[in-house]
Amino acid sequence: DVQLVQSGAEVKKPGESLKLSCKGSGYTFTSYWITWVRQMPGKGLEWMGIIYPGDSGTRYSPSFQGQVTISVDKSINTAYVQWSSLKASDTAVYYCARHRAGSTRPNDASDIWGQGTMVTVSS
Amino acid sequence: EIVMTQSPATLSVSPGERATLSCRASQSASSNLAWYQQKPGQPPRLLIYGAFTRATGIPARFSGSGSGTEFTLTISSLQSEDSAIYYCQQYNIWPPYTFGQGTKLEIK
Repeated sequence: DVQLVQSGAEVKKPGESLKLSCKGSGYTFTSYWITWVRQMPGKGLEWMGIIYPGDSGTRYSPSFQGQVTISVDKSINTAYVQWSSLKASDTAVYYCARHRAGSTRPNDASDIWGQGTMVTVSS
Repeated sequence: EIVMTQSPATLSVSPGERATLSCRASQSASSNLAWYQQKPGQPPRLLIYGAFTRATGIPARFSGSGSGTEFTLTISSLQSEDSAIYYCQQYNIWPPYTFGQGTKLEIK
């Protein structure tokens, strides 16, 4: 089965660092773009950024540029999103999602989604 | 950045009837438009891509139409399990590939 499995829920304090993971299986990991999406409590979906595991090419939403870092480790089929200094406003569920088609073209919808990781930032 | 605006915010429809959800883009999204369904506590599920192509396993009662700046998701013969929030997303111009704010579909 094709799937993305995300790391577990996190509870952090403001100012702490965090790295979330998203492990792909059942497909050629390096051939499919991975997107990260934020969903704040009771709110809609926000596109954070995207990475192509084949060459680690990355693009960020202007709203998230400089706030998070997206990376990948091809050797273990895992994508990451990380923060160096969390804020209370980072409290949300974070999803990773795989593009529908394996292609270097970034224009595509996401058909495989991770289960989501809940991040709570509170003092 | 393309702004996606969905209407209505909430829609209440009886079982067996048809629901029509709209999505408008602030500039052309061509046919690079997807629709997702999200139920509470679950990740989004891809319904439609390329504005009108159903994703794998999606029932034929879900259909998409439109191009450019105006798009529609139609759900014919509504069933109770269709109660969810529906999001459109453009993937024509990046970054970002923006989502609409969602339409909550309630089954009466």
